[in-house]
Amino acid sequence: QAHLVQSGADVKKPGSSVKVSCQTSGDTFSNFALNWVRQAPGQGLEWMGRIIPILGMTNYAQKLQGRITITADRSTNTFYMELSSLRSDDTAVYYCGKSSGTYEPTDSWGQGSLITVSS
Amino acid sequence: EIELTQSPGTLSLSPGERATLSCRVSQSLPNNKLAWYQKKAGQPPRLLIYGASTRATGIPDRFSGSGSGTDFTLTITRLEPEDSAVYYCQQYGSFLLSFGGGTKVQIK
Repeated sequence: QAHLVQSGADVKKPGSSVKVSCQTSGDTFSNFALNWVRQAPGQGLEWMGRIIPILGMTNYAQKLQGRITITADRSTNTFYMELSSLRSDDTAVYYCGKSSGTYEPTDSWGQGSLITVSS
Repeated sequence: EIELTQSPGTLSLSPGERATLSCRVSQSLPNNKLAWYQKKAGQPPRLLIYGASTRATGIPDRFSGSGSGTDFTLTITRLEPEDSAVYYCQQYGSFLLSFGGGTKVQIK
């Protein structure tokens, strides 16, 4: 399984943006997908979106369309999830997770990054 | 987006008992692309089952998955205290993935 290391906790103001990173090990630009999932306090898991580097494709949850951008930096095997126009209900633990293909489950996860949105 | 409905919301069972968790999908999943995850506080999700019925690496055979089309089940036999967690189903058969709302399993 891949090893994924995420950036640390952060506090953001409402209306600002956050960019969470996820660095992977090994050959991470072969046929796989990198997903982003979040869990707000007391809530369930929410799939946010993914990037499939070999296809140069991103898919985003309809609820977050227009606010989320997922990118990849091949030179450092690092993936980024940027969320803009932050609101208090974006406070959550954000996870990155790797799937071994477009239609495969997520079998490796980062440790999670707590993002708090507060004025 | 495909919607997943899990039931019951909470299960409270004793060690050694069997837990049966349900996941209903709003449309038939091609090739049964349905996974089950275990989520404990402070930890990332753990993949238990994929393809509706295949155990992930290292998952004990107390965990089993079944079902097809729109109705899926996760069964945990011989419950142990460490099985206390929230369990989520997820479909990954479409371009937009989605999770169910979760079932909390409490061990008395």
